[in-house]
Amino acid sequence: EAGVTQSPTHLIKTRGQQATLRCSPISGHTSVYWYQQALGLGLQFLLWYDEGEERNRGNFPPRFSGRQFPNYSSELNVNALELEDSALYLCASSLPTGLNTEAFFGQGTRLTVV
Amino acid sequence: AQKITQTQPGMFVQEKEAVTLDCTYDTSDQSYGLFWYKQPSSGEMIFLIYQGSYDEQNATEGRYSLNFQKARKSANLVISASQLGDSAMYFCAMREDPLAGNQFYFGTGTSLTVIP
Repeated sequence: EAGVTQSPTHLIKTRGQQATLRCSPISGHTSVYWYQQALGLGLQFLLWYDEGEERNRGNFPPRFSGRQFPNYSSELNVNALELEDSALYLCASSLPTGLNTEAFFGQGTRLTVV
Repeated sequence: AQKITQTQPGMFVQEKEAVTLDCTYDTSDQSYGLFWYKQPSSGEMIFLIYQGSYDEQNATEGRYSLNFQKARKSANLVISASQLGDSAMYFCAMREDPLAGNQFYFGTGTSLTVIP
């Protein structure tokens, strides 16, 4: 069974541009989470989607946005890129119910803003 | 308030020794799940072990065990017989009731280095 897949693996953008990151969850998982991990730091929660709806949002500016498609894949958009947006962006998926269902992570997209 | 607190930014352990990574959590829910993940330098997040709030026994998975002390709200990870491949970042996480609109909360992580 395929795991969580993210694309692209690496992305280089210039300041002010827009970046689009994509995530395909594990089959049967309806929840998708996005996290930002700056170099050497922990995971900062960005967004949580479930059944096509945004369920929760972390403390990030509105230029971070996303959506979830009917097939449960998800897209993270970052507008007006700033240098400090350079980070590893991790996507995770899980079943929406059940406290004992872990989140499965993709390999991440490393975004570099120059 | 932080939901998950990991107070050890970095830890060192001798190969073949045991090591404990600390994690405390904050929740008012009665039902919650606690998780530990490992992140090698490659960046992938690997699920290690799970503990439910109602589980009376401490969870174990091979060389990993979770020292769950509910009253103290702590969920420490114990790695026995450390191996060089255990060198990585370790994250503690909690999931509250997803139906109530909560998501996974992660700590800031502990960097573990195993010394040969």
